[in-house]
Amino acid sequence: EPEVTQTPSHQVTQMGQEVILRCVPISNHLYFYWYRQILGQKVEFLVSFYNNEISEKSEIFDDQFSVERPDGSNFTLKIRSTKLEDSAMYFCASSEIGLAGGTQYFGPGTRLLVL
Amino acid sequence: SQQGEEDPQALSIQEGENATMNCSYKTSINNLQWYRQNSGRGLVHLILIRSNEREKHSGRLRVTLDTSKKSSSLLITASRAADTASYFCATDAKGGSEKLVFGKGTKLTVNP
Repeated sequence: EPEVTQTPSHQVTQMGQEVILRCVPISNHLYFYWYRQILGQKVEFLVSFYNNEISEKSEIFDDQFSVERPDGSNFTLKIRSTKLEDSAMYFCASSEIGLAGGTQYFGPGTRLLVL
Repeated sequence: SQQGEEDPQALSIQEGENATMNCSYKTSINNLQWYRQNSGRGLVHLILIRSNEREKHSGRLRVTLDTSKKSSSLLITASRAADTASYFCATDAKGGSEKLVFGKGTKLTVNP
């Protein structure tokens, strides 16, 4: 069964460093998402992406964050200058159908620890 | 906020028993989805129920949706130790948003 994959599974970085989290969505899906889950808290929406542009973003997704689909398969989340509070599990998700339709399938997550 | 709370926050049962988890939400929705998360791991999609559906089954899972009460329930029948996980409901909002809004989840422990 097709699945969303994410790399790396774990990343440790120093505060102020840039990190890039990578995702390979399910191949025929057109809608892509990033969510995060701070330890012990709810899963929170960050951003959605369709047709090579951001379609929606949350207040969390400030100028330090960016997303890109650099080729036909990868979808990346970049955090330019990491802060301690960026420590969280980051989930990529993809959906075949966007609005009002789609099951969002999640990857296994990247656990980011900012020291 | 769009999402209410799941209840109970934690549920401990014996293998073979049924587990019922509830979810409430606040706004009109298109769909409601249930996900499962093993400790520290990814989110596994269990079932999606549309706003015009009242009940849906998948294997040992039964989901109901009451849009008049803005609530949903997930029933796991004949539970197994492997069902031990956290269960989350997630809603999207009518009106054009694609984002899913998650509740805090119910932590289910099934004792062998």
